[in-house]
Amino acid sequence: EDQVTQSPEALRLQEGESSSLNCSYTVSGLRGLFWYRQDPGKGPEFLFTLYSAGEEKEKERLKATLTKKESFLHITAPKPEDSATYLCAVREETSGSRLTFGEGTQLTVNP
Amino acid sequence: ETGVTQTPRHLVMGMTNKKSLKCEQHLGHNAMYWYKQSAKKPLELMFVYSLEERVENNSVPSRFSPECPNSSHLFLHLHTLQPEDSALYLCASSQGRGIEQFFGPGTRLTVL
Repeated sequence: EDQVTQSPEALRLQEGESSSLNCSYTVSGLRGLFWYRQDPGKGPEFLFTLYSAGEEKEKERLKATLTKKESFLHITAPKPEDSATYLCAVREETSGSRLTFGEGTQLTVNP
Repeated sequence: ETGVTQTPRHLVMGMTNKKSLKCEQHLGHNAMYWYKQSAKKPLELMFVYSLEERVENNSVPSRFSPECPNSSHLFLHLHTLQPEDSALYLCASSQGRGIEQFFGPGTRLTVL
């Protein structure tokens, strides 16, 4: 059974303090790893898709990387507006459209 | 973001009521999804509608009934719900399978 585990559950940073969020996965054949950001009371907002080990994508202060077992979301010099829950999801080769989500990491960036 | 809209945004209903959630996507996508998001739990896929497939999560109770009249509209009909069905119900759409899904703002459902 597909498993997606995100760590830590919660992370509190000071503004400007860089860090990384982790998403480890267990699937028989990865067909995409997706990162989303979710603000309270809102739907998830798409950030990145990664398909193969070694792939990297960047958007402003965020950089996502992928290995064969995990993905990292690096946050460089975060700002308070980066505070949100970050969700990771994977699509497995036999799952059709189904995405398996992790429980998310709740990030708080203090000014 | 107005690509995927959901109504109502908030809904309080009794266990004997019948209500419907509506989702509309303005992105020209051909696949639509219903998800359930409960506190401290991962998003759970309930239903998928696309040209290639109609998928139902077998663990979803029959008191939830989806309807997809066309590629832009998706409904979730609710009847005789239980308090444990209280959650955020999210609609999403994508262009094809396996491509990134774009979510609506959700309907916060409370069952009394």
